[in-house]
Amino acid sequence: AQTVTQSQPEMSVQEAETVTLSCTYDTSESDYYLFWYKQPPSRQMILVIRQEAYKQQNATENRFSVNFQKAAKSFSLKISDSQLGDAAMYFCAYRSARETSGSRLTFGEGTQLTVNP
Amino acid sequence: SQTIHQWPATLVQPVGSPLSLECTVEGTSNPNLYWYRQAAGRGLQLLFYSVGIGQISSEVPQNLSASRPQDRQFILSSKKLLLSDSGFYLCAWSVFIRGGTEAFFGQGTRLTVV
Repeated sequence: AQTVTQSQPEMSVQEAETVTLSCTYDTSESDYYLFWYKQPPSRQMILVIRQEAYKQQNATENRFSVNFQKAAKSFSLKISDSQLGDAAMYFCAYRSARETSGSRLTFGEGTQLTVNP
Repeated sequence: SQTIHQWPATLVQPVGSPLSLECTVEGTSNPNLYWYRQAAGRGLQLLFYSVGIGQISSEVPQNLSASRPQDRQFILSSKKLLLSDSGFYLCAWSVFIRGGTEAFFGQGTRLTVV
């Protein structure tokens, strides 16, 4: 079974600074997808960024980028120029590429990010 | 465009009472549907998923059950609630497409069993 580990329960960053959230995962599969979700106080789950394991290039979405290290099974999220609206719980998630898995996501325990003005 | 509706948003129920949470999806066909539970300050735990009408897979043994009477309807139920059933419940859907697709989540239901 796959597991996802986020070792940082809480992180804080100054507005306009850069912060990196860590995520490691364990799997025996070679083809899968990784995601970062954001959950603000409203508790709505919002996709931040996705990464396909077969792609070597790290995904980027505006101020959000990932450092995907497949051999190390590491998938960190970097937030540049942090904004107050980035404050939220961030979840790392894994999904198998096998359709028989039902496309279900396995989540980490989350990292609570605080942005200080 | 696709949308997902989940209701109610909040619910307070006494121990031993029944439960029915409903989730519907619009704008897509034959989606995979999911029920997750989130304890306070914790990650999401998958409870059930469904790849088609009447097809339910349970991830963890529990006091809850799920049903999918229609293609885009997913229901979470219990005959008798326990205190430990309190939590935040999220419905989600996805479609398997090469290139990857994320799960899209509903707004969630905060259930308090008293």
